[in-house]
Amino acid sequence: DAGVTQSPTHLIKTRGQQVTLRCSPKSGHDTVSWYQQALGQGPQFIFQYYEEEERQRGNFPDRFSGHQFPNYSSELNVNALLLGDSALYLCASSLTLGQLHYGYTFGSGTRLTVV
Amino acid sequence: KNQVEQSPQSLIILEGKNCTLQCNYTVSPFSNLRWYKQDTGRGPVSLTIMTFSENTKSNGRYTATLDADTKQSSLHITASQLSDSASYICVVSSTGNQFYFGTGTSLTVIP
Repeated sequence: DAGVTQSPTHLIKTRGQQVTLRCSPKSGHDTVSWYQQALGQGPQFIFQYYEEEERQRGNFPDRFSGHQFPNYSSELNVNALLLGDSALYLCASSLTLGQLHYGYTFGSGTRLTVV
Repeated sequence: KNQVEQSPQSLIILEGKNCTLQCNYTVSPFSNLRWYKQDTGRGPVSLTIMTFSENTKSNGRYTATLDADTKQSSLHITASQLSDSASYICVVSSTGNQFYFGTGTSLTVIP
């Protein structure tokens, strides 16, 4: 049973470019959350997708957008990249039942470097 | 304000020794508390999860405690190994479906 799968593992982009990161949730999970983790810091919540809709959003600008597909996989898009967007981007999947999340599991992350 | 604070920020111990990491939180209403281990450049891996009614939970050499009254948790690592070198992150979730992350404790185990 595969866990949470993220791709690519590493990525280098130039300032001003756009990037798309992908996440496949763990089998049986229906909710995907995205986090940005700067070096030496804890993960910062970007947004969460459930039933193909953005359900919650953290304090990130509109340059950060996402999508969830019918198979529960998700994409994170970042436009007009800034040097400060360089970070480890983590995806976490879970099963939503009511107000609770079960089996909250992280992927290995995508390391984005903006030059 | 909902916050999670961890201490110490970093820790160096000799292989075979025990250590205890601390997590204090102000998250309310409380749902559960998780401890994660994160190797450098990798995603966090869950060690334990505790709800309000649980005081202690073990996972091998890792033992987590929770005092919901004082809003404190600890993670005790017994007989440390070199592979225990990682960041340990405390995550508290509220009943409002929000997750609050600590900044982690960086543990280095030296031979």
